[in-house]
Amino acid sequence: ETGVTQTPRHLVMGMTNKKSLKCEQHLGHNAMYWYKQSAKKPLELMFVYNFKEQTENNSVPSRFSPECPNSSHLFLHLHTLQPEDSALYLCASSQDSTSGAYEQYFGPGTRLTVT
Amino acid sequence: AQTVTQSQPEMSVQEAETVTLSCTYDTSESNYYLFWYKQPPSRQMILVIRQEAYKQQNATENRFSVNFQKAAKSFSLKISDSQLGDTAMYFCAFIHYGGATNKLIFGTGTLLAVQP
Repeated sequence: ETGVTQTPRHLVMGMTNKKSLKCEQHLGHNAMYWYKQSAKKPLELMFVYNFKEQTENNSVPSRFSPECPNSSHLFLHLHTLQPEDSALYLCASSQDSTSGAYEQYFGPGTRLTVT
Repeated sequence: AQTVTQSQPEMSVQEAETVTLSCTYDTSESNYYLFWYKQPPSRQMILVIRQEAYKQQNATENRFSVNFQKAAKSFSLKISDSQLGDTAMYFCAFIHYGGATNKLIFGTGTLLAVQP
């Protein structure tokens, strides 16, 4: 595997379900990010981890819970979601989140549908 | 407020022709980078080109070039000799540097269709 991978690629869940999204980067990076991509809206940054420490929570509802056990893995735990949470969730990584000079590499995304 | 505006939701261009995608942004900071990202249908977003705001010279990457007008806060992307593989959503973005966490600020995207 190379780059940034995400599983599953598609997920349909009911509002009472609990599920998790997984992201893995094979680039040796130290920073990882979760973004939400909705149609006709700019990408929204959700969370940032740098060297396994959360450095940014962009006012994300508590029904989204991130976890970063090491610099290569990032999870997004989902519970009691709302239909408006349906979107493409993108994971990204970069060398370090403290420098804007470092390119962010994106995964293919998980298409989430909440029914 | 830090924002990016892409005023062209959709564009179409004939293969081998040239197309320009527009982008304006708003920031009060002086230290930042500007980017164009490409997201092909059902594929990963990749970086197309990057411009350091302190550089006056416009960045180029093969068939892709930018027109960076710092005073006007404008950052357009020109694609020359368009190819079918250029069909994608294109996002303009910028990021400040020097803070504790530097956020990429994205526009809403321009969907480019290259016609054969």
